[in-house]
Amino acid sequence: KNQVEQSPQSLIILEGKNCTLQCNYTVSPFSNLRWYKQDTGRGPVSLTIMTFSENTKSNGRYTATLDADTKQSSLHITASQLSDSASYICVVSARSSYKLIFGSGTRLLVRP
Amino acid sequence: EAGVVQSPRYKIIEKKQPVAFWCNPISGHNTLYWYRQNLGQGPELLIRYENEEAVDDSQLPKDRFSAERLKGVDSTLKIQPAELGDSAVYLCASSSLGLTQGNEQFFGPGTRLTVL
Repeated sequence: KNQVEQSPQSLIILEGKNCTLQCNYTVSPFSNLRWYKQDTGRGPVSLTIMTFSENTKSNGRYTATLDADTKQSSLHITASQLSDSASYICVVSARSSYKLIFGSGTRLLVRP
Repeated sequence: EAGVVQSPRYKIIEKKQPVAFWCNPISGHNTLYWYRQNLGQGPELLIRYENEEAVDDSQLPKDRFSAERLKGVDSTLKIQPAELGDSAVYLCASSSLGLTQGNEQFFGPGTRLTVL
């Protein structure tokens, strides 16, 4: 069964600190993996997308990594800001499929 | 360029009442998706449209849910009658080429439904 598991479920950090969110998946055959940011009361917005051959992708202070062998991904946030408080959802696509398999998300709270 | 537009943003109804949600996708996007997102969970696909055709409604509870996309642009999702368990955020998304893997789906802000 295609699944995406995320950890931790929630995380609280102080402003300016770094953090790393984890994603494990069992989707096969793998096509791509996206990290979405979902602010409260808003729809998800794509941060990064990685295909099988990509190991890392950056978007400003967000850096995603992908290990296709172990089927793991991480999202690293550097020098966190209050505006980073949101849910971060890992989403995986299977090859030849339009369907997205969503994780349950990690709820991040950045405190001043 | 305007993103995916949804209305209303919030809706509170009593159980057994009907409710409808509206979605206007990004201009030129022929694929439209309706998702349901429960609290603390990722979105779950309800139905996918290619133009005006519902090509995947396998996850839509057809006894009470219905959807339409007349003219292949705007779409409405209806629940009749609503149940307590229908309380969730209903997200609409669109993409430009639905059959192409990896094509990004752009999400609207969602409609938060509360059934009392």
